Amino acid sequence: GNSVTQMEGPVTLSEEAFLTINCTYTATGYPSLFWYVQYPGEGLQLLLKATKADDKGSNKGFEATYRKETTSFHLEKGSVQVSDSAVYFCALSDVTRDGANSKLTFGKGITLSVRP
Amino acid sequence: DTAVSQTPKYLVTQMGNDKSIKCEQNLGHDTMYWYKQDSKKFLKIMFSYNNKELIINETVPNRFSPKSPDKAHLNLHINSLELGDSAVYFCASSQGLAGPNEQFFGPGTRLTVL
Repeated sequence: GNSVTQMEGPVTLSEEAFLTINCTYTATGYPSLFWYVQYPGEGLQLLLKATKADDKGSNKGFEATYRKETTSFHLEKGSVQVSDSAVYFCALSDVTRDGANSKLTFGKGITLSVRP
Repeated sequence: DTAVSQTPKYLVTQMGNDKSIKCEQNLGHDTMYWYKQDSKKFLKIMFSYNNKELIINETVPNRFSPKSPDKAHLNLHINSLELGDSAVYFCASSQGLAGPNEQFFGPGTRLTVL
């Protein structure tokens, strides 16, 4: 079955530090890959996505590249801000014809805290 | 305008009670979902409906019964609530089945069973 593994958290950084959050996956077929972010007290929202190998998703200074050879989709940001403090979820979605497995499989999430 | 809305936002109830959570989306999406997030933030899908038809039913106790009166609504009814049902429940929607499609999440309903 499909699975997503994220690095253990929580992560605490100082403002303007470089961020890397690791994510690896196992999947049948050709999954799409996502990063979702959950700010305190809110629902999840899409941060970025990539739908095929070597695609790079980017948004709000965050980037992640779909690496099929290493089955990874690591999230990076060059300079984090206090407002980036949130829980980050890596997820995958398989594209199947019958839709039976057409769902998001999430990693466990990692809490990022950014200090001023 | 709220894209995906849920009511109530907080729900505190006694063990054994029956309760419902309502979800509505105004995005014109075909597919809606219910997720459960536990105290460690782990998120797991419970149900998925496409055009009012049940598509995904994960291993969820049959005390949980989703109902989709139309494409814009997916309600969750829970019978005989148990302590372990305490969690945050999120509704979501997408245009078409998951695949590469972005899912839009509601703000969540925090259920506390005493």
